[in-house]
Amino acid sequence: NFMLTQPHSVSESPGKTVTISCTRSSGSIASNYVQWYQQRPGSSPTTVIYEDNQRPSGVPDRFSGSIDSSSNSASLTISGLKTEDEADYYCQSYDSSNQGVVFGGGTKLTVL
Amino acid sequence: EVQLVESGGGLVQPGRSLRLSCAASGFTFDDYAMHWVRQAPGKGLEWVSGISWNSGSIGYADSVKGRFTISRDNAKNSLYLQMNSLRAEDTALYYCAKALVQGVDYWGQGTLVTVSS
Repeated sequence: NFMLTQPHSVSESPGKTVTISCTRSSGSIASNYVQWYQQRPGSSPTTVIYEDNQRPSGVPDRFSGSIDSSSNSASLTISGLKTEDEADYYCQSYDSSNQGVVFGGGTKLTVL
Repeated sequence: EVQLVESGGGLVQPGRSLRLSCAASGFTFDDYAMHWVRQAPGKGLEWVSGISWNSGSIGYADSVKGRFTISRDNAKNSLYLQMNSLRAEDTALYYCAKALVQGVDYWGQGTLVTVSS
């Protein structure tokens, strides 16, 4: 089993760029795909990145994902920040050892 | 349009049982694995259980193993979660989610389970 660790919160100004990290505790970050979900207050999560760096249709290209094997982490980058991007963001990967889904603890993004 | 509609939540006493259902539409249900994910009030997302398209592969979080049972009926396009021996810490909003490779691409609106005496 492994854990995914995210910063509790990040904040940035509109129009700027923010990056949210997600560090895997054991095993290679590259061994399983990483997904990212956005959850606005009072709403269900929605997928913003799947398979490390793929964007679902309808998600603006301001959202991008990447993985870095040297730091064993994944990152979600949001450029040209808008107030509507203010939300909780969760990373997620898959634990092949028990066929389980693993979520990070979530990062609260404040755009101010 | 993919739709996932959960039902069956409610207030239940500790130690009792509850069965959640998820009605799926807008996609070929028996082509996809499905998951249950929960979120306790003010907390993050926690995976509960997952089931493959043909029920041949099933997994549970350690926190629910032995108490919860996931199942599906492909003829009815439905997913279920039988929850027994409920505890206060099972109180959460339970989401039905459609799997995409190693993640999720669609989520339902959730059904609230409150375990309290």
